[in-house]
Amino acid sequence: SQTIHQWPATLVQPVGSPLSLECTVEGTSNPNLYWYRQAAGRGLQLLFYSVGIGQISSEVPQNLSASRPQDRQFILSSKKLLLSDSGFYLCAWSVPSMRTDTQYFGPGTRLTVL
Amino acid sequence: DAKTTQPTSMDCAEGRAANLPCNHSTISGNEYVYWYRQIHSQGPQYIIHGLKNNETNEMASLIITEDRKSSTLILPHATLRDTAVYYCIVRDTGNQFYFGTGTSLTVIP
Repeated sequence: SQTIHQWPATLVQPVGSPLSLECTVEGTSNPNLYWYRQAAGRGLQLLFYSVGIGQISSEVPQNLSASRPQDRQFILSSKKLLLSDSGFYLCAWSVPSMRTDTQYFGPGTRLTVL
Repeated sequence: DAKTTQPTSMDCAEGRAANLPCNHSTISGNEYVYWYRQIHSQGPQYIIHGLKNNETNEMASLIITEDRKSSTLILPHATLRDTAVYYCIVRDTGNQFYFGTGTSLTVIP
């Protein structure tokens, strides 16, 4: 069966520090991968999605970037964190090329920027 | 932008059916209705989805009106563990899901 992992689970970082969040998927090949952010009390905001290695689409301009160095690995990064980067970061995967593809989410990383 | 409208919050007595409404009046013919839920501090969990016909699985039932402008998620026998935020999502033509703020369901003992 497919599983999705995210780490770390929680992270506290100072403003201006770099960030690297990792997401890996097991049990499937060539998935579509997604990064979402959820601010406190808000809905989910799609940040990036990827349909293959090295292929990244950005949904909103921001202080973050994403990379997909391997088929089932998706990384969210920042060179210098801002206070506004605090939130709950979720990675998700789906089976590509299916109109009704369902997205399955990981456990999330709670980031606090101080 | 979310294409759905949901009540902000609802309560349901434990053991009773929870009926969560969703309006999606601008849904297009090929768009599906999805439901997810999110328990506090966890990732969203897929519940069910449908196009035109009513759907049922081990978690819930989805009732879609004939004009497809609204739907209802039914949890037949709500338990305390069903307390969560429930998201109704209409999927657009790309591989993207737009999550709104959902309905906060509280199951009361």
